[in-house]
Amino acid sequence: NAGVTQTPKFQVLKTGQSMTLQCAQDMNHEYMSWYRQDPGMGLRLIHYSVGAGITDQGEVPNGYNVSRSTTEDFPLRLLSAAPSQTSVYFCASSYRYRGDGYTFGSGTRLTVV
Amino acid sequence: LAKTTQPISMDSYEGQEVNITCSHNNIATNDYITWYQQFPSQGPRFIIQGYKTKVTNEVASLFIPADRKSSTLSLPRVSLSDTAVYYCLVGDGGGYQKVTFGTGTKLQVIP
Repeated sequence: NAGVTQTPKFQVLKTGQSMTLQCAQDMNHEYMSWYRQDPGMGLRLIHYSVGAGITDQGEVPNGYNVSRSTTEDFPLRLLSAAPSQTSVYFCASSYRYRGDGYTFGSGTRLTVV
Repeated sequence: LAKTTQPISMDSYEGQEVNITCSHNNIATNDYITWYQQFPSQGPRFIIQGYKTKVTNEVASLFIPADRKSSTLSLPRVSLSDTAVYYCLVGDGGGYQKVTFGTGTKLQVIP
């Protein structure tokens, strides 16, 4: 049981490049989400999904796209990287109605130069 | 979406009990209260969740008064390894659809 797996762990991009951050979970969780965390700050929600084929925006969605074609995977796409997107990105998942809370991945540290 | 307010930071000596209070004045009837712990360079980790009164597990206790407008996370006899940021969240118990973490409380345990 791997939990939530994020790849890559580290990435450096040039301004304007695009890339996809991968997130996979093997717990059959309905809910998945992406957060970004900037130095000294809490986690801000980018996008979330309550099931395959259903996604919605969080509080900071601009510059990011998501899709959820399967229950297991929830990739985050950066369309045209900007230095303001330098951050640590966390993927999380949970059951819809259980008191276990979220399970988080170990994060992807992204630097845009 | 219920907003939460926590102290920005706290210091405690090893072996002491630490209580971190979270204010959530506009909590909804079906909202649960959940606490997470985050170490540097790691994702947050679920600690405890409750709806009312008191919940205890092997790691912490959670005290929720009758009006549910606040909650207190209690960590018994903290050690240096409890130095972390603690987040209080309010939402509908499991798959919160739109939850923000805020800035949390940075707990520093002193030897």
